[in-house]
Amino acid sequence: QVQLQESGPGLVKPSQTLSLTCTVSSGSIGSGSYYWSWIRQPAGKGLEWIGRIYTSGSSNYNPSLKSRVTISVDTSKNQFSLKLTSVTAADTAVYYCARCSGPIDNWGQGTLVTVSS
Amino acid sequence: DIQMTQSPSSLSASVADRVTITCQASQDISSYLNWYQQKPGKAPKLLIYDASNLEIGVPSRFSGSRSGTDFTFTISYLQPEDIATYYCQQYHSLPLTFGGGTKVEIK
Repeated sequence: QVQLQESGPGLVKPSQTLSLTCTVSSGSIGSGSYYWSWIRQPAGKGLEWIGRIYTSGSSNYNPSLKSRVTISVDTSKNQFSLKLTSVTAADTAVYYCARCSGPIDNWGQGTLVTVSS
Repeated sequence: DIQMTQSPSSLSASVADRVTITCQASQDISSYLNWYQQKPGKAPKLLIYDASNLEIGVPSRFSGSRSGTDFTFTISYLQPEDIATYYCQQYHSLPLTFGGGTKVEIK
């Protein structure tokens, strides 16, 4: 069973860039026909899909965040990453990385990112 | 974006009760609809995919069905460990979108 683990700073200042990495273990990020996604959840609220990337490098983003988001993949490290620029308090959330085969069948444990000065 | 309207937002039921949650899509999504369970402090877990298919290892008391753009998720007999928030999610079109969630509590 593939495992996903998010890592990155838990605190980011307003207007700065949020950067997270998801490390995939017990399986190759390049095997199978999967998209690798980022999803976030503000405290006490619902789930918001941020975007996804295929191992070819092809990516898709939520239009609501598209101007600020970049997702990249490093198959040699079995990792994919999220960058969200110009953050505000509204970007405070638990961020999940996940594997999608259509359904989202594998999730990381999530990491809380707080935007505050 | 496809809007997923999920109801109720919360419910309280007794152990062994039958629990039903509905999700309505704003347009046709065929059967590209999944259901997830999220327990407090944990990541969501896939329970049902493609409207009615049970994920491997998920108890058979969980089920899903589709009627047009209306989807139903059922717990046939509620167990204490089923206390969680449940979400529907469509993957017919990008962006992927989720319902607002249903918090299930024990009466």
